[in-house]
Amino acid sequence: GAVVSQHPSRVICKSGTSVKIECRSLDFQATTMFWYRQFPKKSLMLMATSNEGSKATYEQGVEKDKFLINHASLTLSTLTVTSAHPEDSSFYICSARTGIDQPQHFGDGTRLSIL
Amino acid sequence: DAKTTQPTSMDCAEGRAANLPCNHSTISGNEYVYWYRQIHSQGPQYIIHGLKNNETNEMASLIITEDRKSSTLILPHATLRDTAVYYCTTDYKLSFGAGTTVTVRA
Repeated sequence: GAVVSQHPSRVICKSGTSVKIECRSLDFQATTMFWYRQFPKKSLMLMATSNEGSKATYEQGVEKDKFLINHASLTLSTLTVTSAHPEDSSFYICSARTGIDQPQHFGDGTRLSIL
Repeated sequence: DAKTTQPTSMDCAEGRAANLPCNHSTISGNEYVYWYRQIHSQGPQYIIHGLKNNETNEMASLIITEDRKSSTLILPHATLRDTAVYYCTTDYKLSFGAGTTVTVRA
């Protein structure tokens, strides 16, 4: 149980395009979903926290107009990287949990490469 | 949010138990201890969590000291597939530190 599916696993696109990443909890309802970014050989960096039906809470330094997060249902959250540029290239990972004090379950990540 | 301290790296022999320490001396009374691991180029995997009591599941055991200031993750019979970065955290938002890079050698 507790499977989180993240799609796509890899995307390569031209500078200036927008990219949408989906995160789905397949067998549980996620009250909260999290989005992380990871640079090579570095630890995960929390970008934002999203609760179903509410606006996402962004960490300091993360541009909310650049990284649009939607959490429309208890099983789906999306991250859209708008007008992507090469510096946005990274490994993006989502996670979901059923409630506070419960562990997070992670997707397999999306490797984004902007040319 | 309590911060954690873990050794940077650790080697262990295949088939032997791997004991991974974590210090969380500023943990508060209602904070859980969570352990995750990340195998190269994959999303992190949940291993185990606990509050006060020792916990065991099919993957590992978690030993939490009585004062809750430290804990140890035990992989009872390490395999080559257990090679990964192991993260200990007490933060429900998962403020990841650098973790411990565990290398299991044949």
